[in-house]
Amino acid sequence: EDQVTQSPEALRLQEGESSSLNCSYTVSGLRGLFWYRQDPGKGPEFLFTLYSAGEEKEKERLKATLTKKESFLHITAPKPEDSATYLCAVQARQGGKLIFGQGTELSVKP
Amino acid sequence: EAQVTQNPRYLITVTGKKLTVTCSQNMNHEYMSWYRQDPGLGLRQIYYSMNVEVTDKGDVPEGYKVSRKEKRNFPLILESPSPNQTSLYFCASSLTGTGVKNIQYFGAGTRLSVL
Repeated sequence: EDQVTQSPEALRLQEGESSSLNCSYTVSGLRGLFWYRQDPGKGPEFLFTLYSAGEEKEKERLKATLTKKESFLHITAPKPEDSATYLCAVQARQGGKLIFGQGTELSVKP
Repeated sequence: EAQVTQNPRYLITVTGKKLTVTCSQNMNHEYMSWYRQDPGLGLRQIYYSMNVEVTDKGDVPEGYKVSRKEKRNFPLILESPSPNQTSLYFCASSLTGTGVKNIQYFGAGTRLSVL
């Protein structure tokens, strides 16, 4: 069964304290892995898409990496405005279905 | 402005009263999808559409219907809503269903309560 697991469920950081979020997946033929950011009361906002093991993408303080079994979202020197829930999703080869993890709720304190 | 628009944003209804949540995108996207988001369960796909007149079930299609008669619109229909359909619903669209351009853009959400 296709599955996506994110850890930790919640993460509290001090401003400037770097850390990583994990997304592990089991899927029959990975089409793509996606990272989204979701603020309370809003829809998910696209951050990155990764397609093959070894691929990396960066945007400001965020860097996403991909291996054959997992992806990491590295946050370098986070700021309070980085506080949000970060969602990971994978797309299997069959059809356009996206399978989401439950998310990691990140809180960055000043 | 490129966007996915859902209506209504909030809806309270009673068991058994048919309702429709509309979704419209102005990006000429082929692919559209509906998700529901529940605490502890995350986002789960209800239905998706690869193009006009092409729809398919996601993970939790029971109790829902969809149609795709026009490229821009993808309404979600609850023929006989039940309390277990109380949830936060999101519509999303992308240029294609697969490949490098499958970046899904989400609407702002519809919070539905079924009493």
